[in-house]
Amino acid sequence: AQTVTQSQPEMSVQEAETVTLSCTYDTSENNYYLFWYKQPPSRQMILVIRQEAYKQQNATENRFSVNFQKAAKSFSLKISDSQLGDTAMYFCAFMKQGNAGNMLTFGGGTRLMVKP
Amino acid sequence: DSGVTQTPKHLITATGQRVTLRCSPRSGDLSVYWYQQSLDQGLQFLIQYYNGEERAKGNILERFSAQQFPDLHSELNLSSLELGDSALYFCASSPRTGFNEKLFFGSGTQLSVL
Repeated sequence: AQTVTQSQPEMSVQEAETVTLSCTYDTSENNYYLFWYKQPPSRQMILVIRQEAYKQQNATENRFSVNFQKAAKSFSLKISDSQLGDTAMYFCAFMKQGNAGNMLTFGGGTRLMVKP
Repeated sequence: DSGVTQTPKHLITATGQRVTLRCSPRSGDLSVYWYQQSLDQGLQFLIQYYNGEERAKGNILERFSAQQFPDLHSELNLSSLELGDSALYFCASSPRTGFNEKLFFGSGTQLSVL
């Protein structure tokens, strides 16, 4: 079974600064996807960024980028130029390739507060 | 707005009761997923349906059941409710059931069992 661990329950950052959220995972699979989801106070789960395990290049989406270290099973999220609207819970998630559907395994989440 | 609609947004009920949560996927999406978010268990996958058929099952209790109808909307039925069933229940959808699918989540139904 896959496990996803987010070791930082809470973090804070000043507006316009950069922050990095950590995520590690454990799997015996070779091909899989990793995700970061954002859950603002509205509770909606919003996909931030996605990384395919077979791609060496780190994914980027505007101010969001990841540092994917496959050998270390590490998948951190970097938020540049933090904005007040980035305040939210952030969840790291894992999806394996297979015929048994598309279940996401989530980490416990990191609460990020962006301070003005 | 993700395009996934969940009703109701809030539900308050008593122990032992039965409730039905409804989900309308994004237009054209064939897969529907149910997730439970609780303080003690975090976010857990419950079940996936694809084009009306059960595709994958996660940590879903026997007291819970789901189905996907011909119009592709889905319902999650929770029966013999216990205090511990209080949680935020998410529905998500995706176009198909391939490995590279992106899941789009609804806003959730907050269930409170008193």
